[in-house]
Amino acid sequence: AQSVTQPDIHITVSEGASLELRCNYSYGATPYLFWYVQSPGQGLQLLLKYFSGDTLVQGIKGFEAEFKRSQSSFNLRKPSVHWSDAAEYFCAVGAPGSARQLTFGSGTQLTVLP
Amino acid sequence: ETGVTQTPRHLVMGMTNKKSLKCEQHLGHNAMYWYKQSAKKPLELMFVYSLEERVENNSVPSRFSPECPNSSHLFLHLHTLQPEDSALYLCASSQDSGTTNTGELFFGEGSRLTVL
Repeated sequence: AQSVTQPDIHITVSEGASLELRCNYSYGATPYLFWYVQSPGQGLQLLLKYFSGDTLVQGIKGFEAEFKRSQSSFNLRKPSVHWSDAAEYFCAVGAPGSARQLTFGSGTQLTVLP
Repeated sequence: ETGVTQTPRHLVMGMTNKKSLKCEQHLGHNAMYWYKQSAKKPLELMFVYSLEERVENNSVPSRFSPECPNSSHLFLHLHTLQPEDSALYLCASSQDSGTTNTGELFFGEGSRLTVL
């Protein structure tokens, strides 16, 4: 069965600092990988996704993520964090061609200090 | 309107009440979902409808009853809920069409349910 682990429940960074959120997955083949962001009181918004090809994917709001098959990881990065990035971030893994089988991690809460 | 819209945004109900959550998608998608989001727990998939037919029901208690009258609308009927059912209920949609399905979900803003 597929699974997703986000080892960091809560991360605090200063505005302008770099950010890396970790995500490890378990899946039998090459998965579809996603990062979603959830601001307080809001639904989830897709930041970026990986299906195949270039292992470094660019997303919205200046985020990027790198797929590393050997480490079963899909870590999210941003070179310079803005106060508006404070939110909860969810990594998800799915089977190719089926949103029904999307499995979400427990999320990482990001706090940004001024 | 665009995207996925959920109403009401907040709902407080007693354990003996009957209420419904509504979801509408304006994206032309053919699959809709209900998820439950509780504090400190991963998102739980409750129901999936594809082409208005229920395709998954992940062992959800019968006090939750979904309805999908067409590809744009999805309801979650609630009755005799328990306090542990208090959570954020998220609706999502996707284009579920075989090889062209990217597996991407589009979410609404959620309905915050409190059961007293």
